[in-house]
Amino acid sequence: QSALTQPASVSGSPGQSITISCTGTSSDVGSYNLVSWYQQHPGKAPKLMIYEVSKRPSGVSNRFSGSKSGNTASLTISGLQAEDEADYYCCSYAGSSTFRVFGTGTKVTVL
Amino acid sequence: EVQLVESGGGLVQPGGSLRLSCSASGFTFSSYAMHWVRQAPGKGLEYVSAISSNGGSTYYADSVKGRFTISRDNSKNTLYLQMSSLRAEDTAVYYCVKESSSSSWYGMDVWGQGTTVTVSS
Repeated sequence: QSALTQPASVSGSPGQSITISCTGTSSDVGSYNLVSWYQQHPGKAPKLMIYEVSKRPSGVSNRFSGSKSGNTASLTISGLQAEDEADYYCCSYAGSSTFRVFGTGTKVTVL
Repeated sequence: EVQLVESGGGLVQPGGSLRLSCSASGFTFSSYAMHWVRQAPGKGLEYVSAISSNGGSTYYADSVKGRFTISRDNSKNTLYLQMSSLRAEDTAVYYCVKESSSSSWYGMDVWGQGTTVTVSS
């Protein structure tokens, strides 16, 4: 049950676009289109931002988008805003034995 | 409003036991799988356990297998996590989480505010 690998930090200026990668294996990210992304502000519960690789729940800004290629999923935030500064976690379904695995988390800083 | 409210956290000695509860409202609780996810102080999210909508199937992370038991009472709209043989490394905020779909593992769309478990002598 190794965690998915994410960069520890990503930064960008307001209005820019940033991309967070999430690298797994052929047993999790590579096998299922069941990757989700969560945003967590300090002291708050996580919030679902993307599910099924690229779908946005109702109410989530269309500045957030997801994609996947092979064993790596990505979250892109376009038109970066100060409120986007938070920790982001990916999560993948990994089959009936491992079930689900989270990424290591990425701290996004808006410069 | 869809809401999950955890309770039962607290300070417990190593080797002790604790039962967490999660009261659900605003949705048909019996139609959705539920999860527990934890976060140690200053650390990332860790998936702990899951239970199917009817309680017939359960999953546990290796780190808690044999020590934690997940269960649910659909008549009371309540999810539980019975924790025993607690260790210092179980110290974390424990979140109760709802699965977003009744038919697949798309993502977890509703999170409780979390309850803190501290294991220390």
